[in-house]
Amino acid sequence: AQSVAQPEDQVNVAEGNPLTVKCTYSVSGNPYLFWYVQYPNRGLQFLLKYITGDNLVKGSYGFEAEFNKSQTSFHLKKPSALVSDSALYFCAVRDPIYGQNFVFGPGTRLSVLP
Amino acid sequence: EPEVTQTPSHQVTQMGQEVILRCVPISNHLYFYWYRQILGQKVEFLVSFYNNEISEKSEIFDDQFSVERPDGSNFTLKIRSTKLEDSAMYFCASSPDGTNTEAFFGQGTRLTVV
Repeated sequence: AQSVAQPEDQVNVAEGNPLTVKCTYSVSGNPYLFWYVQYPNRGLQFLLKYITGDNLVKGSYGFEAEFNKSQTSFHLKKPSALVSDSALYFCAVRDPIYGQNFVFGPGTRLSVLP
Repeated sequence: EPEVTQTPSHQVTQMGQEVILRCVPISNHLYFYWYRQILGQKVEFLVSFYNNEISEKSEIFDDQFSVERPDGSNFTLKIRSTKLEDSAMYFCASSPDGTNTEAFFGQGTRLTVV
């Protein structure tokens, strides 16, 4: 069965500093991996995805993520954090063989301090 | 830009009552989902729907839950006899296919059972 772990409940970073939100996954075969962001009282917004090809994928709002197959990780990164990036971030996996649904990690709350 | 719409935004109901949560997925999408989120925490999969039938469901989706696509545009989630623990934010999502595309989420319906 597929699963997603986000080892940090909370990440604090100063504005202007680089940020990393960690994600590891477990799935049979080659995974489809996604990052979503949730602002207070809002739905989930798609940021980026890895399907195949280049391990570094770029997404919305200056975010990028690196797929590492040997470490089964898909960490979200941004070179310079903004206060407006403060939100709840979810990593998700979709198993291309065994299921069409998205399995989400527990979420990481990112706080960017001015 | 096309979006998933959900109504109502907030529903308060008495324990034991039936509720219907409504969603209008993006028009050319083929896969539809319901997820729920309790107190801004983990996003939990309930059910996926394709070709007018349930394709996957979780353990949460017991006999009290049902889904329907009554008219080719709406996608509804019915809870027959609500319990206090059904209080959550319910998200509808849709995706163009069941493989490598992302899901698009609605803004959610906050269900409060009293």
